[in-house]
Amino acid sequence: DVQLQESGPGLVKPSQSLSLTCTVTGYSITSDYAWNWIRQFPGNKLEWMGYISYSGSTSYNPSLKSRISITRDTSKNQFFLQLNSVTTEDTATYYCARWGGNYEHAMDYWGQGTSVTVSS
Amino acid sequence: DIVLTQSPASLAVSLGQRATISCRASESVDSYGNSFMHWYQQKPGQPPKLLIYRASNLESGIPARFSGSGSRTDFTLTINPVEADDVATYYCQQSNEDPFTFGSGTKLEIK
Repeated sequence: DVQLQESGPGLVKPSQSLSLTCTVTGYSITSDYAWNWIRQFPGNKLEWMGYISYSGSTSYNPSLKSRISITRDTSKNQFFLQLNSVTTEDTATYYCARWGGNYEHAMDYWGQGTSVTVSS
Repeated sequence: DIVLTQSPASLAVSLGQRATISCRASESVDSYGNSFMHWYQQKPGQPPKLLIYRASNLESGIPARFSGSGSRTDFTLTINPVEADDVATYYCQQSNEDPFTFGSGTKLEIK
């Protein structure tokens, strides 16, 4: 079965970079699909942040474009989120998820989420 | 960006009755004969769970009590009959255009 698991620091200081890892098991991230980061703010608003496709191409939410980078390590079947110059507004639960552009066209598998607080 | 407006924000339904949740898009989410609107269920402390994809297709393992309909800008999620386990927040999401966007959610409670 496909499983995704987020990991990373739960606390980041303002102006620093937020770095998270999503480890995928049960499916190769180079086979197909696009691999996404989505966050949920306190108050429950969901925001799509971006993805890296199976081929390595990326797409980012323009609202984050200058601060975000999504990369991958295919040998470990992991993909990563880096968000620079964070502020308290970046406090959220961060999810990784799989998107099937050639299939359901929806996010069919999600990680459990990791909570990140931005605070000094 | 495509804005998705969900209504109502909260809904209380008696067990065994029908729940109807609406999602209106600021522009059409239809392309190539498909409506790229999806529905998710989220329970506290859990990630969203895909229920309906491309407007009306039931995700594998989801009970047939859940159904979706609509096209272009107007979509509906129906739960009939409502069970106690359906208490959750429901979100619509469009993937027709970058950036993907989500509705603000509808919280379902039992009356």
